[in-house]
Amino acid sequence: KQEVTQIPAALSVPEGENLVLNCSFTDSAIYNLQWFRQDPGKGLTSLLLIQSSQREQTSGRLNASLDKSSGRSTLYIAASQPGDSATYLCAAPFSSGNTPLVFGKGTRLSVIA
Amino acid sequence: GAVVSQHPSRVICKSGTSVKIECRSLDFQATTMFWYRQFPKQSLMLMATSNEGSKATYEQGVEKDKFLINHASLTLSTLTVTSAHPEDSSFYICSPGSGDEQFFGPGTRLTVL
Repeated sequence: KQEVTQIPAALSVPEGENLVLNCSFTDSAIYNLQWFRQDPGKGLTSLLLIQSSQREQTSGRLNASLDKSSGRSTLYIAASQPGDSATYLCAAPFSSGNTPLVFGKGTRLSVIA
Repeated sequence: GAVVSQHPSRVICKSGTSVKIECRSLDFQATTMFWYRQFPKQSLMLMATSNEGSKATYEQGVEKDKFLINHASLTLSTLTVTSAHPEDSSFYICSPGSGDEQFFGPGTRLTVL
């Protein structure tokens, strides 16, 4: 069964800290991996997309890495801010083409001012 | 990225009524639309896949007669929750199939009393 797991489930850090969110997947044959942000009661905002041939992607203070062989991805957030508080989800399609995403349960991040 | 709208954003209804949720792909012709739902503190789970001009396919455990999906055009897919019950209360969110980076509607919060 194709599964995506995220650890930790929740994380609380003081403002300014760098932090890492972890994502693991059971099948290395993922087509790509996407990180999303979800604010309470809201939809999903796409943060970063890493293609299966790539090792990392960067956007501002965010850096996502992908290691297919070990079945892992990490999302690194530098210099965290209270506005970063949200739930972060990773998800992957396990084949190419028009296929749905399999989601992890997310990491709920709280950045304390 | 693709712009996706959903309507309504929030609906509260009595048990036994039917609720229609619209999902529009505003700048992208979606031959496929994925419908997910998210229960409190859970991740998104695929419910069904709608295909323009053909019947939708449903995930295991999702009743096709209860969750009616219509994908009549490349820009509109609808999900109707028929005879809704409190256990159907959830966050419903759509995503047009893109084969690459995927985008999501803002979601519909359904509360069945």
